[in-house]
Order: sequence, then structure tokens, then C-alpha cells
Amino acid sequence: QSALTQPASVSGSPGQSITISCTGTSSDVGNYNLVSWYQHHPGKAPKLMIFEVSKRSSGVSNRFSGSKSGNTASLTISGLQADDEADYYCYSYAGSGTPVVFGGGTKLTVL
Amino acid sequence: QLQLQESGPGLVKPSETLSLTCFVSGGSIISTIYNWAWIRQPPGKGLEWIGSIYYSGKTYYNSSLKSRVTMSVDTSKNQFSLKLSSVTAADTAVYYCASQPLGALADWGQGTLVTVSS
Repeated sequence: QSALTQPASVSGSPGQSITISCTGTSSDVGNYNLVSWYQHHPGKAPKLMIFEVSKRSSGVSNRFSGSKSGNTASLTISGLQADDEADYYCYSYAGSGTPVVFGGGTKLTVL
Repeated sequence: QLQLQESGPGLVKPSETLSLTCFVSGGSIISTIYNWAWIRQPPGKGLEWIGSIYYSGKTYYNSSLKSRVTMSVDTSKNQFSLKLSSVTAADTAVYYCASQPLGALADWGQGTLVTVSS
């Protein structure tokens, strides 16, 4: 399985909204509603933010939302805050073979 | 919420076998909800799923690593383990363990840096 495709970087100013895309294929993102998103601050453990495409993990702010259309999933962060600056990874179930595939990661910079 | 903690040598020589263990607390490793996963992040690179194991011992491996990976579970100690053979410098990474309900990685260990060097 090839990695899911994410933009290498995105940026936004405090208070703005940004969207990170995650493009897969009909074998992974397009075939299962099992996409999740992770926030990763350097030196810390990754944190599950969104699972099953659009469900927020416990304690995650409602500023974070997920969606999917066809083979592309998206993470939207509204009301950007300084602490949102981190790397974000998408993940999809991919069935048999190699059942898990990650995106390459997106570095979010809050200007 | 589960707590997971990785342990193992931080330095492994090339061609040798990397061995790590993940201890699970706050819940039983005998769970019908979770698989138990290993993930790694090489320096400056993204996350890579290595493989997962169910409490029964059924395993799922990344096809790119399958020939070198062995995972096992010890239900009496509430822990699971990773062995990666014939390591090279390319296997230098932070290794994480995590709980894995279907379609996600819910709880993560803090990660442990393993360096492959002579």
C-alpha cells in the first residue's frame, strides 16, 4: 500500500480556519469510513483527534472536524490557536494485505 | 484510558535484532475491542505502521517489513513485544506502541528512540 497523500505544509493566522487534505484510493480512504487524524507535537506521543472520518476523540475541541468525499478525507481546524501548531497525520484502514496506511504528514504553522 | 509504556535497548548493532516490549496498564490486553500496534518514526520522516497483534496471537504486518518482523503477546504480563531482525541504519527511529480499535490508534506510549549503530 502506498502512503496517503497530504500537503507537506499549511499555514494560517490565529482565528482563521485551515483544511488539510488526505488523498488515498478506492482501496483505502474511498472504501472504508475508517479514517482517523492525529496531532503530533515534536517529542510527544501522537494524539488521536478524529476517528471514523468525523467523530471527535474524547476531550478534543469542536474546532476540529473531519469529513470525506470519495477518495479524499479532510481535517478542518477552525479558530486557529498557537497550540495547534504541530504535525498532522491521516490514517486509513485498507483491508487485507497491509491493513493500515498513514499519510505522509502535514506541518501546520500558525503565523 | 489505557497507558502504554515501551521498553528496550536504545542502541542496536547493524545486522542484529531489535527487541521492544510494550506494557499495558489501565486495562487488560485480553480485549475483543483492540489490536495492539507498533508504529515508528524515523528522524525527519513520517509515521510508519509496523504491525499489529490481537491478544490471541493473530498478527498483521506491514508488507514492506513482514520478512523481518515478529510480534508476540504475553497475556500473563499484560504486554506485547516486537522483534525486528537484520536491522540497518534505516531502522533508526522512535518506536511507539498503541492500542488499536478498528480504524484508529487510540492510546499511545511515549515512544522510545532506537539507534542502529556499531
